[in-house]
This record gives sequence, C-alpha cells and structure tokens, in this order.
Amino acid sequence: RKEVEQDPGPFNVPEGATVAFNCTYSNSASQSFFWYRQDCRKEPKLLMSVYSSGNEDGRFTAQLNRASQYISLLIRDSKLSDSATYLCVVNSGGGNKLTFGTGTQLKVEL
Amino acid sequence: NAGVTQTPKFQVLKTGQSMTLQCAQDMNHNSMYWYRQDPGMGLRLIYYSASEGTTDKGEVPNGYNVSRLNKREFSLRLESAAPSQTSVYFCASSVWGRDTQYFGPGTRLTVL
Repeated sequence: RKEVEQDPGPFNVPEGATVAFNCTYSNSASQSFFWYRQDCRKEPKLLMSVYSSGNEDGRFTAQLNRASQYISLLIRDSKLSDSATYLCVVNSGGGNKLTFGTGTQLKVEL
Repeated sequence: NAGVTQTPKFQVLKTGQSMTLQCAQDMNHNSMYWYRQDPGMGLRLIYYSASEGTTDKGEVPNGYNVSRLNKREFSLRLESAAPSQTSVYFCASSVWGRDTQYFGPGTRLTVL
C-alpha cells in the first residue's frame, strides 16, 4: 500500500463549481499535512497546511481526519486558474522528510 | 531574491555519461533536498542535507551522489547515467524544523 494515496483524476468541472479531493495516508504517526499545487511542467508550490481543526484560505478549505487517516481539500467557486495538479503531502515524523502523493488533476472548464 | 535556482533546465545524455545538476538557494535555509518526479510515482526523495556538512540518503539514492558545497549550494551527480534515470529533478530547501519546502524550477533529464 502506498504511504499517501490520491485519486489521480482528472476531475473536469465547470467554472463556479465546488470540487473536493481526498487523500489517505498509511502511517498513523504522521505529524504534519499539506496540500501543494503543481502547474503543468512547473515546480510544486505550497497551497496550504492542514490542521486538525480544519482551516480555510479564501475559497480553499482543508480538513484532517486522524481517526480515518484522510485529508481533504475543498475548492469553492472554481476558477479557470485553479486548473492544476494538487499534491497531498505528509510528514511521517522523519525530520523534514515529506512524502508526496501522486497528485489529483483538476481541469476547470468554461 | 531568486529563491531556489537549478541548472541546467534541460539535458540529454547518452547511457554511461556523467553530469552534475546544480542547485542554489538564497533564502538562508539550512536544509536542502533532491527529488525526482516520474509519471504515476509522485516526487521521491533522492538525497537530502539537513545542514551544511551533512548529507543523507532518501528513498531512491542508488546511482546518485551529492555534495553540499556550502550553505547555499547542493549538487546532484550522476556518475554513469542510465535510461531509468530519465526524469524531472527538483531541488528544494527549507528551514530545518519547518515543514514547508520551496522548490526550484526543475531539470528535465533524458538519458538515451
């Protein structure tokens, strides 16, 4: 079983739609959780950290469920510019070493 | 403030050739990392350097060597390139003890 698993998609949604991605992780000792965004042929960039209490940044909401070992990302009012691959990232307690999921591709269409 | 820079951006090698990928950061970070990204595999850690003077193996170190030249620079060397090393290579840096990593633009390497 992969340490971090994501549905690869693609998720094709119309502009203005709400879309949600889930990610599961296998190591129950994992300490920190993140969503990174990666545009086509570009480097990953931090989108947001994920906290136990859930957190929101504008149209983006991240949730963590430690009991079920999954993380979610909700995007409201999707924009064309949201089209990208979203990487679920987990720090499983090895210092600063991060484990990356393979990513979920989002395509927002007119 | 350039962040993390990588050279070259693209490279084509023949099997058996050697090359060094360069990475530099100007954010005064003490930790640096090398990843490779392959389709369907996600980013995988090759080597990392928690601080100047230290290097450690990551998940996929075979076929690679690294040098932490100083606090700013961390290079990745392929001594004898193989087609299996065809990939996109990303360098990243962070403050040790902080999870957020900042990535360079990547090097696209093809080994024929």
